[in-house]
Amino acid sequence: AQSVTQLGSHVSVSEGALVLLRCNYSSSVPPYLFWYVQYPNQGLQLLLKYTTGATLVKGINGFEAEFKKSETSFHLTKPSAHMSDAAEYFCAVSDSSYKLIFGSGTRLLVRP
Amino acid sequence: KAGVTQTPRYLIKTRGQQVTLSCSPISGHRSVSWYQQTPGQGLQFLFEYFSETQRNKGNFPGRFSGRQFSNSRSEMNVSTLELGDSALYLCASSLQGGVTDTQYFGPGTRLTVL
Repeated sequence: AQSVTQLGSHVSVSEGALVLLRCNYSSSVPPYLFWYVQYPNQGLQLLLKYTTGATLVKGINGFEAEFKKSETSFHLTKPSAHMSDAAEYFCAVSDSSYKLIFGSGTRLLVRP
Repeated sequence: KAGVTQTPRYLIKTRGQQVTLSCSPISGHRSVSWYQQTPGQGLQFLFEYFSETQRNKGNFPGRFSGRQFSNSRSEMNVSTLELGDSALYLCASSLQGGVTDTQYFGPGTRLTVL
């Protein structure tokens, strides 16, 4: 069965600092991986996704993620954090049976 | 294009009652999925519909049911509500529901069971 692990339920960074949110997956088949962001009292918004091809994926709002098969990882990064990046971030893997399997989420706090 | 819409946005019910939540997908999208989000269990898949057929169902009791109409709009119903059903219910739509399709989420319906 596929699964997703997000290390760190809370990550705190200073404004302007590097953002690194960790995601590891378990999958017996080639994974299709997604990062979503959720702002308070809102639904989920897609940041980026990896299906095939280039392993470095660029998304919206300056985020990017790199698919590393050897490490079974898909970590999310952003070079410089903004206050507006404060939100909860979810990594997900697409199951072949028409569903997304989500990690437990990481809440990003940005300090001024 | 308009995004995924969910109604109502907030609901308060009491134990034992039943509730129906509605989801209108993005125009042209034929797959609709439902997820439950709680602080303790996170985001969990409820079910997915495509062309009025349920293709997959998560590990939820039979009190949770859904349906999809010919215009792709979907409803989910929870009968005999329990306190533990309090959650944010999210609907997502995609073109075909395929493994690489992006699922677009609505703002959710927050259900509180008293």
